[in-house]
Amino acid sequence: EVVLVESGGGLVQPGGSLRLSCGTSGFTFSNYEMNWVRQAPGKGLEWLSYINTFGTTVYYADSVRGRLTVSRDNAKNSLYLQMNSLRAEDTAVYYCARKSVVPAAEFDYWGQGTLVTVSS
Amino acid sequence: QSVLTQPPSASGTPGQRVSFSCSGSNSRFGSYDVNWYQQFPGAAPKLLIYSNIQRPSGVPDRFSGSKSGTSASLAISGLQSEDEADYYCAAWDDSLSGYVFGSGTKVTVL
Repeated sequence: EVVLVESGGGLVQPGGSLRLSCGTSGFTFSNYEMNWVRQAPGKGLEWLSYINTFGTTVYYADSVRGRLTVSRDNAKNSLYLQMNSLRAEDTAVYYCARKSVVPAAEFDYWGQGTLVTVSS
Repeated sequence: QSVLTQPPSASGTPGQRVSFSCSGSNSRFGSYDVNWYQQFPGAAPKLLIYSNIQRPSGVPDRFSGSKSGTSASLAISGLQSEDEADYYCAAWDDSLSGYVFGSGTKVTVL
């Protein structure tokens, strides 16, 4: 069974940092491209970042470029998101999502999400 | 403002067919492979349709996708109470090197 589990969310002050993790099991993690997506309370989905299988190619949404860094450790079957200079508008549930190997299909499995709250 | 525009809501009675659109605001929409996701409150999204019209294994054939010109659509035939959820269209944009989501459509079963 494919499982993705996010962790590392919590309450952080504006300007602070947080590192999210996404642990995976049930599939060969190193064969899959991965993404981070977030959802602010009561709002829609927002794609944040992509990373290829080797971790050598990354992309970011304009809204977070320069403040977020995605990385992965294939030996640990884990994906990470380092978030710096956090703002109130970064308050959201953060999901990791696996990109399907089926052409033109995107996120076939998602984690349950981890809540990040940015507040003083 | 999202690149992909969806109506905020859609509704129907059990057994009815309901459909709603996802419109593109740029010239690249024609090259998009549109995906649709279903999301229940408090849950992660689930892939419902990919490549405009394809259903992943396990998705009921009541759900169907289409795309023509600058618009894609999701249709739910034989609407059921358990279909009440939020639905998002999305696509990878090569020019942006990013994934874009629509604003979402909340489906209500009356």
